[in-house]
Amino acid sequence: SQQGEEDPQALSIQEGENATMNCSYKTSINNLQWYRQNSGRGLVHLILIRSNEREKHSGRLRVTLDTSKKSSSLLITASRAADTASYFCATDPNTGGFKTIFGAGTRLFVKA
Amino acid sequence: DAGVIQSPRHEVTEMGQEVTLRCKPISGHDYLFWYRQTMMRGLELLIYFNNNVPIDDSGMPEDRFSAKMPNASFSTLKIQPSEPRDSAVYFCASRPGGREKLFFGSGTQLSVL
Repeated sequence: SQQGEEDPQALSIQEGENATMNCSYKTSINNLQWYRQNSGRGLVHLILIRSNEREKHSGRLRVTLDTSKKSSSLLITASRAADTASYFCATDPNTGGFKTIFGAGTRLFVKA
Repeated sequence: DAGVIQSPRHEVTEMGQEVTLRCKPISGHDYLFWYRQTMMRGLELLIYFNNNVPIDDSGMPEDRFSAKMPNASFSTLKIQPSEPRDSAVYFCASRPGGREKLFFGSGTQLSVL
């Protein structure tokens, strides 16, 4: 079963706008990661935030983590048409193993 | 490094046939994962290995599925016999340690007719 649930399922914005995607999960975690998938390709890691961190930045990406609410958000600033892809959150549940469980993903479409 | 390498890229087979998917992880990575992606169920973890040993296969859908990792540089996922509902994209991923990012292969698009 999926650990994470993304919201919204799909998002369409204009180039230059910011895109915000949210992820909620069910169990306590060691870390949370965000991945990107272009159509027909494998997933590419974007950013990892550990359970004791609250915010992390990487270029135009900003990730927040609220462990009390079991939620995370990914913000892409100044979006570009090339950002069009599916974005997935993934969690490493704190269950003693080393699984990485993915959510259903958000499909982002950036219009030029 | 060439990254995680999967083969074949596409596989079309008939119901009842055996299917073998292959994966070469990145050298030095201790963990290897097999995922299945469908529109209906998203990305499902099937099984993962640590140092060539299967650790958790609770995601393997049924006995028709089996996975092996005979050495650190090779893993297979076998479906026998295949069924149309097995049609999906199968991804292999590896990572160097237990709590780090995953590196994905390009996937195998499986179609069972």
